[in-house]
Amino acid sequence: AQTVTQSQPEMSVQEAETVTLSCTYDTSESDYYLFWYKQPPSRQMILVIRQEAYKQQNATENRFSVNFQKAAKSFSLKISDSQLGDAAMYFCAYRILRGSQGNLIFGKGTKLSVKP
Amino acid sequence: ETGVTQSPTHLIKTRGQQVTLRCSSQSGHNTVSWYQQALGQGPQFIFQYYREEENGRGNFPPRFSGLQFPNYSSELNVNALELDDSALYLCASSPGTGFLYEQYFGPGTRLTVT
Repeated sequence: AQTVTQSQPEMSVQEAETVTLSCTYDTSESDYYLFWYKQPPSRQMILVIRQEAYKQQNATENRFSVNFQKAAKSFSLKISDSQLGDAAMYFCAYRILRGSQGNLIFGKGTKLSVKP
Repeated sequence: ETGVTQSPTHLIKTRGQQVTLRCSSQSGHNTVSWYQQALGQGPQFIFQYYREEENGRGNFPPRFSGLQFPNYSSELNVNALELDDSALYLCASSPGTGFLYEQYFGPGTRLTVT
């Protein structure tokens, strides 16, 4: 079965500090993309960052970076200099390259709170 | 450029009824995917429509059906509603199928079945 596990249902971080959200996944495929999505309360889900599995270099987008460990099937998200606007549900997801659908497989999410 | 929109925002239905949810895709996007997000869960893939044809389906029963129109907007229909169908229904549009294309999500429709 193809699954995504986010072991931290809730996390809290002080404003301006750094927080890391964990994600592990299980797939027998060798080619896939990994994603972190942000879902603010009552707002649309938006893509935060993505990582191609064939790339060894970890993706970075401004304050957001990932630690991708392919052999361990681990894909954590690090948020630096946390801001109040970072408070949201964060979902880890992947998409396999084989096939034409490209549907996303999501974890259950981690609720991030940011304390002022 | 208009983003993905969904209607209605909220909906309350009774068990056994039928419901239709609507999604307008982003300009230039010909693919729409539908997801069900139960409370406390991540979204689960229902199905995808590409150029008016169903292009793949997740593990959902046939009472979940859909349509895509020539303007690439889409409908999700659910017959014989069950209590477990209560969820946030998300649609996502993309400029094509497959892994190369980012999916852009709408705000969702919150369905409550009583």
